[in-house]
Amino acid sequence: AQTVTQSQPEMSVQEAETVTLSCTYDTSESDYYLFWYKQPPSRQMILVIRQEAYKQQNATENRFSVNFQKAAKSFSLKISDSQLGDAAMYFCAYRSPQAGTALIFGKGTTLSVSS
Amino acid sequence: AAGVIQSPRHLIKEKRETATLKCYPIPRHDTVYWYQQGPGQDPQFLISFYEKMQSDKGSIPDRFSAQQFSDYHSELNMSSLELGDSALYFCASSFWGAVATEAFFGQGTRLTVV
Repeated sequence: AQTVTQSQPEMSVQEAETVTLSCTYDTSESDYYLFWYKQPPSRQMILVIRQEAYKQQNATENRFSVNFQKAAKSFSLKISDSQLGDAAMYFCAYRSPQAGTALIFGKGTTLSVSS
Repeated sequence: AAGVIQSPRHLIKEKRETATLKCYPIPRHDTVYWYQQGPGQDPQFLISFYEKMQSDKGSIPDRFSAQQFSDYHSELNMSSLELGDSALYFCASSFWGAVATEAFFGQGTRLTVV
């Protein structure tokens, strides 16, 4: 079975600084999909960024980028130029390539942003 | 754009009562997933449906049941409620084969059992 581990329960960053959230996973599959979701105080689950395992190029979405290391089974999220609105719980998630499979989430990292 | 709609948004029930949560997926999405998120916890997969058939089962208690209807909306039925069932229940929808894309989440139903 696949597992997702987020080893940082809490992280903090100052506005305009950069922060990296860690995520590792365990799988025997060669093809899969990885996601970072943001959950603000409203509790809405919002997709931040996704990565296909067969793509070597790291995904980027504006201020958000990932460092995907397939051999190390690592998928970290870098937030650049942090903003107060980035404060939230961040979940790393794994999805198998079979149709209809559900997301497997890590325990989450609470990010606080100070001015 | 239309999103996943969940109702009710908040629900308070007493122990041993029953509750029904509803989920209306994004139009044309054929797959629905239910997740349970306890306080300070990560979302745990409960069950999923595709074309009105159960497609996968996670850590759903026997006291819970769910179904998907012909209009693709889904209902999660919870009986003999326990204090530990207090959680945020998410529904997500997607196209069956679209594993590379995100599953779109509703805003959740917050269930409180007292």
